[in-house]
Amino acid sequence: DSGVTQTPKHLITATGQRVTLRCSPRSGDLSVYWYQQSLDQGLQFLIQYYNGEERAKGNILERFSAQQFPDLHSELNLSSLELGDSALYFCASSVYRGREDTQYFGPGTRLTVL
Amino acid sequence: AQSVTQLGSHVSVSEGALVLLRCNYSSSVPPYLFWYVQYPNQGLQLLLKYTTGATLVKGINGFEAEFKKSETSFHLTKPSAHMSDAAEYFCAVRTYTGTASKLTFGTGTRLQVTL
Repeated sequence: DSGVTQTPKHLITATGQRVTLRCSPRSGDLSVYWYQQSLDQGLQFLIQYYNGEERAKGNILERFSAQQFPDLHSELNLSSLELGDSALYFCASSVYRGREDTQYFGPGTRLTVL
Repeated sequence: AQSVTQLGSHVSVSEGALVLLRCNYSSSVPPYLFWYVQYPNQGLQLLLKYTTGATLVKGINGFEAEFKKSETSFHLTKPSAHMSDAAEYFCAVRTYTGTASKLTFGTGTRLQVTL
């Protein structure tokens, strides 16, 4: 158990809908990262938040957005869902010690868009 | 841009045999390299990491990896495979600037262990 929690574990929804994925980082970790894992794209970095502020952005679609709240939990919002958004979404967290930083991953949320 | 290449999307070994999973990196700065393992229907678990210092890094479950700058490699090895090692293994390189950071992953290698 990495200490990173994600809810829900599974999510099934229809095209055009909007969903919210939630992540609670390890105690003391200030940084939260979101990754998408799909069969065709592999593991892709989406976005990073550090202490409530966006710090790095990857190949995140405009239909997707995220935020980190004062209690450091984070939410990833996916809207106007398409079939191709079906994937495993991982959250990771780190305390951020500069060069020595290590990311610890949650169990993931499996999103199925029908 | 930093990247990693994992050679071999599938590797099959017999139980008790040597495990060798290959990872080559591309980086214009000293790289920070990681190996993660993903068991079926689970998240990513950190196996080991190289940041600075000793180039032979030992991780969990008997795995180790050697950073070779001259070969731009960070191959993962285990002397004797166990059935429980069957999983997908990902090599990753970390990029950071200030407090901005991300991992770039390879395409993964699925390890099969046979009797």
